[in-house]
Amino acid sequence: EPEVTQTPSHQVTQMGQEVILRCVPISNHLYFYWYRQILGQKVEFLVSFYNNEISEKSEIFDDQFSVERPDGSNFTLKIRSTKLEDSAMYFCASLSSFGEQYFGPGTRLTVT
Amino acid sequence: AQSVTQLGSHVSVSEGALVLLRCNYSSSVPPYLFWYVQYPNQGLQLLLKYTSAATLVKGINGFEAEFKKSETSFHLTKPSAHMSDAAEYFCAVTPSGFQKLVFGTGTRLLVSP
Repeated sequence: EPEVTQTPSHQVTQMGQEVILRCVPISNHLYFYWYRQILGQKVEFLVSFYNNEISEKSEIFDDQFSVERPDGSNFTLKIRSTKLEDSAMYFCASLSSFGEQYFGPGTRLTVT
Repeated sequence: AQSVTQLGSHVSVSEGALVLLRCNYSSSVPPYLFWYVQYPNQGLQLLLKYTSAATLVKGINGFEAEFKKSETSFHLTKPSAHMSDAAEYFCAVTPSGFQKLVFGTGTRLLVSP
């Protein structure tokens, strides 16, 4: 069964460093999303992406964040200069033709 | 704007007992509603969805949910809990099939022998 994959599973970085989180959505899906979950809190929407453009973004998704689909399979989230408060689990999701978002296993980002 | 309220951050049941996890939504348009389950150190797995068809929706692992517009509710139930059901459950709402999901705060289900 097709699934969304994410790499790495855990990333540790120092404050101020750039990180890139990678996702491979399910191959025939057209909408992609990033969410995050700070430890002990609810899952929050960051950004959605369709047709090589951001279709919606949240207040969290400020100028420090960017997304890209560099090729036909990968979907990346970049944080330019990480802060302590960026520590969270980041989930990628892609949308099926039935309107169901399928989530990857997540990348745990720890900023020290 | 859409929002979801999940009553009870923790629910404890005995194995074999009825599971009831509550979700109330707020939406300015007819909503699409979802339940996801998250096992420890894993991602979110879709349990079931409501998209304006049948009000009683059946999902995986024996779970079902009923959409009640008059009560703005979409509670998740399972007749008989199993130890393997222990996980965190999230209710989510979206105004359309492709827009962002808005999640509730989650309910941790604990199942005792």
